[in-house]
Amino acid sequence: DIQLTQSPSSLSASMGDRVTITCRASQSIIRFLNWYQQRPGKAPKLLIFATSNLQSGVPSRFSGSGSGTDFTLTISGLQPEDFATYYCQQSYNTPRTFGPGTKVD
Amino acid sequence: QVQLQESGPGLVKPSETLSLSCTVSGGSINTYYWHWIRQSPGKGLEWIGYVYSSGSTSYNPSLKSRVTMSVDTSKKQFSLKLTSVTAADTAVYYCAKDNSRDPFYYFDSWGQGTLVTVSS
Repeated sequence: DIQLTQSPSSLSASMGDRVTITCRASQSIIRFLNWYQQRPGKAPKLLIFATSNLQSGVPSRFSGSGSGTDFTLTISGLQPEDFATYYCQQSYNTPRTFGPGTKVD
Repeated sequence: QVQLQESGPGLVKPSETLSLSCTVSGGSINTYYWHWIRQSPGKGLEWIGYVYSSGSTSYNPSLKSRVTMSVDTSKKQFSLKLTSVTAADTAVYYCAKDNSRDPFYYFDSWGQGTLVTVSS
């Protein structure tokens, strides 16, 4: 299985901050990396697919980059609704796997 | 946008079978992969497997011996059965739809999730 690690596991931020979350894969997944946001008690919501493609309806302050084994999710100008947990997920092969999450509070 | 809704018992006894269904509305069930994913405090988000609209399946090897998924396109439903459950199977279970921009796949629609507790 491809293992995904995320750093940091949690971070404290303020409104307007620029936040960067890192996801590292145990082997190259080329660009088969997706990002999800999960608010408490809710299902995950797709933010970015294929490393850098913004899902329809997602604000442009979210962006993604990377390739191979190292990927980043950046939130430029944190908004109140962005305080949540963020997960990376690989679709390079099965079993699909998720990172452990990064909580932004 | 497709909507998904899980249904099934919220409490299952140890050693019994967990059975859940997911109803698809607002879109077609055909030509998509339909997934089950669970989330427990101890293991985070765990992919259980998928069923394609044709009925073909793929399961997580860690659960493969206990999992069966099926699809009923006439009812626009797909289902999950997990046998011989233990407390470790207690989790929120989500159904999700795969979308693709070839060759990339991603879960673009999720159900709200249903908590299943395994307890006697």
